[in-house]
Amino acid sequence: EAGVTQSPTHLIKTRGQQATLRCSPISGHTSVYWYQQALGLGLQFLLWYDEGEERNRGNFPPRFSGRQFPNYSSELNVNALELEDSALYLCASSLAVIAVGTDTQYFGPGTRLTVL
Amino acid sequence: GQQLNQSPQSMFIQEGEDVSMNCTSSSIFNTWLWYKQEPGEGPVLLIALYKAGELTSNGRLTAQFGITRKDSFLNISASIPSDVGIYFCAGQGSNTGKLIFGQGTTLQVKP
Repeated sequence: EAGVTQSPTHLIKTRGQQATLRCSPISGHTSVYWYQQALGLGLQFLLWYDEGEERNRGNFPPRFSGRQFPNYSSELNVNALELEDSALYLCASSLAVIAVGTDTQYFGPGTRLTVL
Repeated sequence: GQQLNQSPQSMFIQEGEDVSMNCTSSSIFNTWLWYKQEPGEGPVLLIALYKAGELTSNGRLTAQFGITRKDSFLNISASIPSDVGIYFCAGQGSNTGKLIFGQGTTLQVKP
């Protein structure tokens, strides 16, 4: 069974530009989560999408947004890029939250975003 | 951002030794998870714990969900070189979708 996939692997942008990152969940998973792993700051929760709706949002500015498509894949958009947005962006997926343990999150390999 | 207190920060051990790391929180969690991350890759789930007091094993790995629901530990027995990596604990509350991560424990194993 294929795991969570993310594209692109690496992305280089300049300050002020926009970045779009993509994620495909494990087959059968309906929830997608986004995390930022910046050097020295650890893994920080960004967004949670389930059944096409945004369910929760971390402490990030509105420049960070996303969406989930009918096939449950997801996009993360970062507008007006700043130097400190340089990080590894990780996507995770899970089954629907219907019982204890069904929402266990499995991560993809990440997209390395570099802002120059 | 919010983080769990994970210790130790790093460990350099001899192959064959046992390893222990733990996480503590000021908040209660419904789920505790342990992940391993290697360079250039995403975190890989090692063990998931869903009930206070639960003790779960996965091969040479054993983890426990603390009775107070505010802590968890991970033990690795008889370490081998491929155990090298960064180990993260993560706690999850009820229906938030949000994992709170520890700072990570970097493990190095000397053959």
